[in-house]
Amino acid sequence: GAGVSQSPSNKVTEKGKDVELRCDPISGHTALYWYRQSLGQGLEFLIYFQGNSAPDKSGLPSDRFSAERTGGSVSTLTIQRTQQEDSAVYLCASGRGYTQYFGPGTRLTVL
Amino acid sequence: TQLLEQSPQFLSIQEGENLTVYCNSSSVFSSLQWYRQEPGEGPVLLVTVVTGGEVKKLKRLTFQFGDARKDSSLHITAAQPGDTGLYLCAGLTGANNLFFGTGTRLTVIP
Repeated sequence: GAGVSQSPSNKVTEKGKDVELRCDPISGHTALYWYRQSLGQGLEFLIYFQGNSAPDKSGLPSDRFSAERTGGSVSTLTIQRTQQEDSAVYLCASGRGYTQYFGPGTRLTVL
Repeated sequence: TQLLEQSPQFLSIQEGENLTVYCNSSSVFSSLQWYRQEPGEGPVLLVTVVTGGEVKKLKRLTFQFGDARKDSSLHITAAQPGDTGLYLCAGLTGANNLFFGTGTRLTVIP
């Protein structure tokens, strides 16, 4: 399809393990965003990419969180040594101009 | 941190009723957007308002951006069960970052 895709759709992990979340943006979109959404709440901004560079990492909650983007396309959000408070839905969006198009999210559960 | 407060947090109404959702901030935004999110999906953009005082209408939905570009409202006329979802406002800064509101969960009962 032509939309933003994310994988996996669900991830259950044990506390202390590392996880990688993937985002495939819409082809041609130079901007890519990661957000975190706790149960039924608003979205918390994590990081923004323009091409492969991340001019704004201000939303990353700790140094356990990192993200990269390669080839101006796919992005990976990595959480090291996961904690229970990391449990949330992680949403990716790609955009052009004012408009952001969201993927369905990855639901992360840390036991 | 630009904080956007939405009210009410939860709203349950009967089909056919009207409702208004508010989005307020102490910060000024270059533009403001409204999204609707359904379970298991990402938010979907409904509208972008750019000019202070601007009013946009999309069928039964009316969006207004405050004169000072700090607040916005979403009014739905004759709500339908298909309007059920989480409504999110989001303020856009000059750096092209979106700051999302706290959300309003709307349930329209048939």
